[in-house]
Amino acid sequence: RKEVEQDPGPFNVPEGATVAFNCTYSNSASQSFFWYRQDCRKEPKLLMSVYSSGNEDGRFTAQLNRASQYISLLIRDSKLSDSATYLCAVAPSSASKIIFGSGTRLSIRP
Amino acid sequence: SQTIHQWPATLVQPVGSPLSLECTVEGTSNPNLYWYRQAAGRGLQLLFYSVGIGQISSEVPQNLSASRPQDRQFILSSKKLLLSDSGFYLCAWVIAEEQFFGPGTRLTVL
Repeated sequence: RKEVEQDPGPFNVPEGATVAFNCTYSNSASQSFFWYRQDCRKEPKLLMSVYSSGNEDGRFTAQLNRASQYISLLIRDSKLSDSATYLCAVAPSSASKIIFGSGTRLSIRP
Repeated sequence: SQTIHQWPATLVQPVGSPLSLECTVEGTSNPNLYWYRQAAGRGLQLLFYSVGIGQISSEVPQNLSASRPQDRQFILSSKKLLLSDSGFYLCAWVIAEEQFFGPGTRLTVL
C-alpha cells in the first residue's frame, strides 16, 4: 500500500461546480498535512496546510479525518483558473521529510 | 526575504554524460533541503534530503548523488546519465514545517 494515495482523475467539472478530492495516508502517526497545487510544467505551490479543526481559505476548504486517515479538499464555485493537479502531502512524526501523493488532475470546463 | 533558486531551468544531455544541478537558498540558515524528481505524468519521488552541511540521506538507490558543501547550497550530481534520469528535478526546503519548492530543472536525457 502506498503511504499517500490519491485518485489520479481527471476530474472534469463545469465552471461554478463544487468538487472534492480525498487523499488517504497509511501512517497513523502522521502529524502534518498539506494540499499543493501544480500547474503544467511548473513547481508545486503550497495551497494550504490542513489543521485538525479543518480550515478554510476563500473557496477552498480542507479537512482532516484522523479516524479514517484521510484529508479532503473542497473547492466551491470552481473557476477555469482552478484547473491544475492537486497534490496532497503528509509529514510523518519525524518531520524530516514530507511524502506526496501522485496528484489529482482537475479540469474546469466553461 | 526567503527564496530558493535552481539552475539551469532546462537541460538536454546525452546518455552517459555527467550532471550537476544546483540549488541555493536565501533568507535563512541551516534549512532542511530536499531533492525530488517528477517523471512525466508521475508523482514526486524524494531522492535526497539534508539537515545540514555534509549530511545527506538517500531515499532511493540509483546513479545519482547529492552533496551539501555549504549551508545554503545543495547539489545533485551524476557521473553517467541514463535515459531513465529524464524528469523534472525540484529542490525544496522547509520553513515553519511547510515545504516550498524551487522553480525546478527540466532534464531530458537523449
